[in-house]
Amino acid sequence: DTGVSQNPRHKITKRGQNVTFRCDPISEHNRLYWYRQTLGQGPEFLTYFQNEAQLEKSRLLSDRFSAERPKGSFSTLEIQRTEQGDSAMYLCASASPTEAFFGQGTRLTVV
Amino acid sequence: KQEVTQIPAALSVPEGENLVLNCSFTDSAIYNLQWFRQDPGKGLTSLLLIQSSQREQTSGRLNASLDKSSGRSTLYIAASQPGDSATYLCAVRHVSGNAGNMLTFGGGTRLMVKP
Repeated sequence: DTGVSQNPRHKITKRGQNVTFRCDPISEHNRLYWYRQTLGQGPEFLTYFQNEAQLEKSRLLSDRFSAERPKGSFSTLEIQRTEQGDSAMYLCASASPTEAFFGQGTRLTVV
Repeated sequence: KQEVTQIPAALSVPEGENLVLNCSFTDSAIYNLQWFRQDPGKGLTSLLLIQSSQREQTSGRLNASLDKSSGRSTLYIAASQPGDSATYLCAVRHVSGNAGNMLTFGGGTRLMVKP
């Protein structure tokens, strides 16, 4: 257990529906990252928060994706109007100045 | 743009063999490098972290080396066991100022250790 919690662990949704994932980081970490991992590939950076401020977004993060981190604690990642290509593992990490710790991920399947 | 490459993409060895996994990166201006293990359908477990000023780190049967100037790292696994079967991911952490020290990952090496 890394101390980073993600919910739900698995989500199956129909194409066109909206989904929301939650990440609870290690409490003393002010840096939080979201990554996406497709089968057989390494994780790809999506977005970064320092405290409540979203400081960086990848071009992978289309307009259908939005992330928040209210009060600089937990974070949510919402995908609107899901597409089959959104099927992937969504990983959250919180980081100290030196090391990153990942949660168990949320596996999204869009049918 | 930082690019991280891992070779081989897949590896199958008999139990007891010593093995080396390779990682290369294109931009040597890194803060540190982490090796992770990922079991199927699971998250990432950190194995070893090497700071940019260090040359190697050891944990049990694992030894990771870093040659920042040549953009290379290796993960050495001694006396491999079936329980070592997993995907091993290499990630470099950018220096401050680039997305808050974000990690860039390689594609991973899928290791299978046969009994």
